[in-house]
Amino acid sequence: EVQLVQSGAEVKKPGESLKISCKGSGYSFTSYWIGWVRQMPGKGLEWMGIIYPGDSDTRYSPSFQGQVTISADKSISTAYLQWSSLKASDTAMYYCARLANPTSFDYWGQGTLVTVSS
Amino acid sequence: NFMLTQPHSVSESPGKTVTISCTRSSGSIASNYVQWYQQRPGSAPTTVIYEDNQRPSGVPDRFSGSIDSSSNSASLTISGLKTEDEADYYCQSYDSSNLHWVFGGGTKLTVL
Repeated sequence: EVQLVQSGAEVKKPGESLKISCKGSGYSFTSYWIGWVRQMPGKGLEWMGIIYPGDSDTRYSPSFQGQVTISADKSISTAYLQWSSLKASDTAMYYCARLANPTSFDYWGQGTLVTVSS
Repeated sequence: NFMLTQPHSVSESPGKTVTISCTRSSGSIASNYVQWYQQRPGSAPTTVIYEDNQRPSGVPDRFSGSIDSSSNSASLTISGLKTEDEADYYCQSYDSSNLHWVFGGGTKLTVL
């Protein structure tokens, strides 16, 4: 069974760093792209970026380029999303999702809620 | 770059049929597949339609997808509405010119 299991909720202060994770299982982790999607409170889904764990090829939405870093460790089938200096506006639910083919996401993680507040 | 525009909300009664539209702002809707995701409150999105009109296993045939080149839009149709269909629905496509993935703004479906 394909599963994407994300790390737990985080509460951070502005300026702090953070790295959240997404562990894949039940499939060949290195053969599928993993994307990250933001959902701010009460808002819609926004594509942030995507990584191919097989060779770490990474692409970012222009809205998130330079704001976050996406990485992966294929030895432990885990993708990451990290911030070096959080802002209150980073408060959101973050989902990872597996790219089934060049265009659609088939499996989603359960989401990681990030709260940034002083 | 293109945008996908959806109605903010739709409502219909149980047992009826509802259609949610997703209009592409530039470029042809047929140039890249459209997907539809259902998101119930407090849950992660799940796929109800992929590649314009394909249903994943486990999704009832009450859900169907189509594209219309004349209006440059995609549609999700849900027939025989059930209260459990009440959710937010998002369309999504791929911008092959920029290698980006694009989501519509989402439509809140109320079944009352």
